[in-house]
Formats: sequence, structure tokens, C-alpha cells
Amino acid sequence: DVKVTQSSRYLVKRTGEKVFLECVQDMDHENMFWYRQDPGLGLRLIYFSYDVKMKEKGDIPEGYSVSREKKERFSLILESASTNQTSMYLCASSTTGGDTEAFFGQGTRLTVV
Amino acid sequence: RKEVEQDPGPFNVPEGATVAFNCTYSNSASQSFFWYRQDCRKEPKLLMSVYSSGNEDGRFTAQLNRASQYISLLIRDSKLSDSATYLCVVNKSGKSTFGDGTTLTVKP
Repeated sequence: DVKVTQSSRYLVKRTGEKVFLECVQDMDHENMFWYRQDPGLGLRLIYFSYDVKMKEKGDIPEGYSVSREKKERFSLILESASTNQTSMYLCASSTTGGDTEAFFGQGTRLTVV
Repeated sequence: RKEVEQDPGPFNVPEGATVAFNCTYSNSASQSFFWYRQDCRKEPKLLMSVYSSGNEDGRFTAQLNRASQYISLLIRDSKLSDSATYLCVVNKSGKSTFGDGTTLTVKP
């Protein structure tokens, strides 16, 4: 079974803190993604990566950065957490190609106070 | 206008009912199409891929109309366990765009 693992299920951080969300996949997938999911707004793409050390901005990259030093690991960084970044964060991975399924991690519920 | 639009519902139906969800997408260059299911407080999981020829998996039938840029999902003989949010997903060059989801509640 494909496994995408996010480092935490729940996190509480203070405004202004630097926050790291980690994601690891075990299927040698080329593509990795970070989404946030908010009620009424659905899943929105923050950043994605097609290869090691490559990254591309998604639809809402402001306030976030990412790191992909190894193929299996994709990190999302909140440089200075703010209350409007309180959300559910979902990591996903997929193989290269048009007709490919994305596999999701279990999600991290981040609360910024 | 959103790239992928779905009726948010909610759809409340009795067990045994047939229910249909619709989805439209704006990018005519989109390459592949999926329906995902998301249970409350869980991650989305693939329900089925969607093809122009239509495809069926048990009680579920998915259809794609490229000319109208329209995707549908039909659920027959609804079960209590079908209660979830159904997400329409459109892929282009490996990048997935999700609809906001349609919430289904099946009641006894």
C-alpha cells in the first residue's frame, strides 16, 4: 500500500513562530503537493514539486515556503505563523503522467493562537 | 470563476435512492478526471477515474463530456455508508485541481 505520512495530526503554534510540517511518502513518487482545506473553500494548492530540489507555486503560496531535499520528503514551512493560517494541511504524492491518482496523508490540523 | 465547480449540496437522501452529482471545469486542456471521496475528518481517497466512454464500479457510474466540460457521478441504491463528501478532481500535467466537494447524507 502507498503510504503518505505527515509528522503530526494536531499542532498548536503561536503567532510569529516558524512552523515546519513534514511529509514522507514511501512509493518513490516524483510529484508531491501541499494543500490546505478550509470550510467553504475546498482544497487549495499551496506548493508542489515534480522532483528533488524543484518547487512550483500553487494557488496560494503567500506566507509559505517548501523544501524538497530528498525524493521521499516534502516539507512545508510557515515562516511566521499567523492566525489566518489556522487550517487543515494535506500532503499528497503521485507518479508522473496525466492519468495518475494522488495519495494523501492523514492531514495536520494546525491552530495558530 | 473557479476552475472546478460543484454543487455543494448538501444532498440528503433516503437509503435506496439514486443520486447524481455534477461538476464543470473551465480548462479545456485538462487531461484526466477523477472522483474522490472524503469522510469527515479524514483525507480524500480515490473513488474512481472518469472516462469519456463512461465507467461503472458496482453502484457507481462516472461520465465525462469533454465537449461540455462536464463530469458526473451517479450513485444507485444509496447506502448509509455512502455518506461523505465527494470531490471532483481535474488533472493537467500532473497537477490536480479539486472542486469544493458535494456533501451527501444518506438517511435510514
